[in-house]
Amino acid sequence: DIQMTQSPSSLSASVGDRVTITCRASQSISSHLNWYQQKPGKAPKLLIYAASSLQSGVPSRFSGSGSGTDFTLTISSLQPEDFATYYCQQSYSAPMYTFGQGTKLEIK
Amino acid sequence: EVQLVESGGGLVQPGRSLRLSCAASGFNFDDYAMHWVRQAPGKGLEWVSGIVWNSGSLGYADSVKGRFTISRDNAKNSLYLQMNSLRAEDTAFYYCAKGIAPEGFVGDYWGQGTLVTVSS
Repeated sequence: DIQMTQSPSSLSASVGDRVTITCRASQSISSHLNWYQQKPGKAPKLLIYAASSLQSGVPSRFSGSGSGTDFTLTISSLQPEDFATYYCQQSYSAPMYTFGQGTKLEIK
Repeated sequence: EVQLVESGGGLVQPGRSLRLSCAASGFNFDDYAMHWVRQAPGKGLEWVSGIVWNSGSLGYADSVKGRFTISRDNAKNSLYLQMNSLRAEDTAFYYCAKGIAPEGFVGDYWGQGTLVTVSS
């Protein structure tokens, strides 16, 4: 099975900061990497798919990059509503789709 | 508007069974893969099972293989998860998620989740 490892596990930042979250796959997954945002008590929300494609309706301050085994999610200027937990997920190894352990983004 | 509404969760004893349902609306249900993802309280997301648009291919996480069965009824716009031999570690919120394509898993819409609690 493909393992997904996110770093850091938690992160404190301030409104207006630029933030980067990293996701590493245990083997190459080409560009089959997706990012989700989850707020407490809510379902996950798709932000980025295929490593760098912005889901419709998602603000342009969110961006994704990477291929192979190393990927990043960047928030260019943090807004108050961005404080949440972020998950990466690989969609390469059908039908075994795995998530990273999550990165909790907190207000500094 | 796409809507996914899960039902069927509740408190169940270890070893018993439960069937979850997901009612879909607002899109052509039979054009998309569908999936179940769970989240134990305070923990991360775990993909559980998925089914392609025509039920031609099913997948399960190792943790549920042989105990859970996914199915869909395209005529009823519904997704199901039959859960047998439930264990305490199956306690979680179970989310129904729509894929963005007939196969694969990129979850563009999710339900609100239904809580399954396995306890004696």
